[in-house]
Order: sequence, then C-alpha cells, then structure tokens
Amino acid sequence: AQSVSQHNHHVILSEAASLELGCNYSYGGTVNLFWYVQYPGQHLQLLLKYFSGDPLVKGIKGFEAEFIKSKFSFNLRKPSVQWSDTAEYFCAVAFASGGSYIPTFGRGTSLIVHP
Amino acid sequence: GAGVSQTPSNKVTEKGKYVELRCDPISGHTALYWYRQSLGQGPEFLIYFQGTGAADDSGLPNDRFFAVRPEGSVSTLKIQRTERGDSAVYLCASSFLAASSYNEQFFGPGTRLTVL
Repeated sequence: AQSVSQHNHHVILSEAASLELGCNYSYGGTVNLFWYVQYPGQHLQLLLKYFSGDPLVKGIKGFEAEFIKSKFSFNLRKPSVQWSDTAEYFCAVAFASGGSYIPTFGRGTSLIVHP
Repeated sequence: GAGVSQTPSNKVTEKGKYVELRCDPISGHTALYWYRQSLGQGPEFLIYFQGTGAADDSGLPNDRFFAVRPEGSVSTLKIQRTERGDSAVYLCASSFLAASSYNEQFFGPGTRLTVL
C-alpha cells in the first residue's frame, strides 16, 4: 500500500529561523502532492499543492515546497518563520491509480514557534 | 460563503450505542469525503461520494460503519455498536468535482466522538 512519511513529528523554532519539514512517499507513479495546515482551533486548510510543471511550488504565507521525483519527496520550506506559523502541518499525496484521487495523509508535524 | 459544516461538534456515547454524524458540504460541491483522525495521526480516508453514490468506500474499517448521501448534498456517517476504538475526530471534506482529477478539498471542523 502507498504510504506517506513525515520525518519530524515535533519541531520547535525561534522566530526568524528557517524551516524545512520532510515528506516522503512510497509510490513510483503519478502523484498529486499537498501540504495542509491546521492552526490551533481551526480547520485543515490547503497551504500549497503540486500537480505538474515547475517542481518548486509557492504557497500562502511565504511557504514553498519542492517536488523531487527521484527522491519521492515533497519537503516544505519557509526561510523565516513567525510566531503565527505555530500549527500542525500535514503532507498529503493523491496517488493516481484506478481513477480515484483520494489523498493519503502523513501523521503530521507539530510546529511551535517561540517569539 | 459558508464552508463545510459538521454536527454535532462533540459527541459522547457509551460503548455499544449507535451514532450519526452529519456533514453539510459547500453548496454546489459534488464530491464529499469522510475521514477519521485519531490522536497524533493524520486524517485517514473512510469513504467518498460523487453525487449520491459512494464512489469509493474502501476505507471503512468494518460493517459497523455506513454512510449515506441520499440527495447528493448532506451526508450522514452512521456507526453501529460503537467501540472505544472508534473514538476519534471525524472529518468531512467536499470538493467541486472529483472524477479523474483531484480538486481541492475543503474541510469541515470535525466531530469529536468519544466512546466511553
């Protein structure tokens, strides 16, 4: 079965530090890739997505992610985090098989940013 | 506009009881998805509707779980003979289209189910 791995379960940073959250998946076919964010007390919301084209994707709030097909990875980055980035971050991969694009989510990374 | 809504926000029940969880998707969204999120885990797919029919129910853990969407809008997830292991946050999402390409899913706030 396809799987999605997020290597960092808990990350603690100070404001202005750089962020990189890892995401790897286990499927060699066509994939659609996503990062979702859940701020405290709020719904899951889409941060950015990759379907095709430029493998460097820019999302909201200064986040970006790079799709590296050879490494089956889609890492999330932000050059300078803010206190308001404190949230849970989920990588999700929709595997294009059987015509049904249901995303598989990683277990999430809890990010705490200290002011 | 209005987002995806779910009711109730919290549900506490006793082992063995029957529960229904409701999802009201964004108006005009044809696809509706149910997920379950256990503590410390990401959302886990349960079932997906395209219109009124269940297009993929491969994520339902067993036959105690059932979902309907009779008019292609509101959906109800039904759990029979609840067990303590069913305790989780049940998330609903909707998207404009599903078909053969992925469309952005919009998530509701979830229903936190606790089985005592």
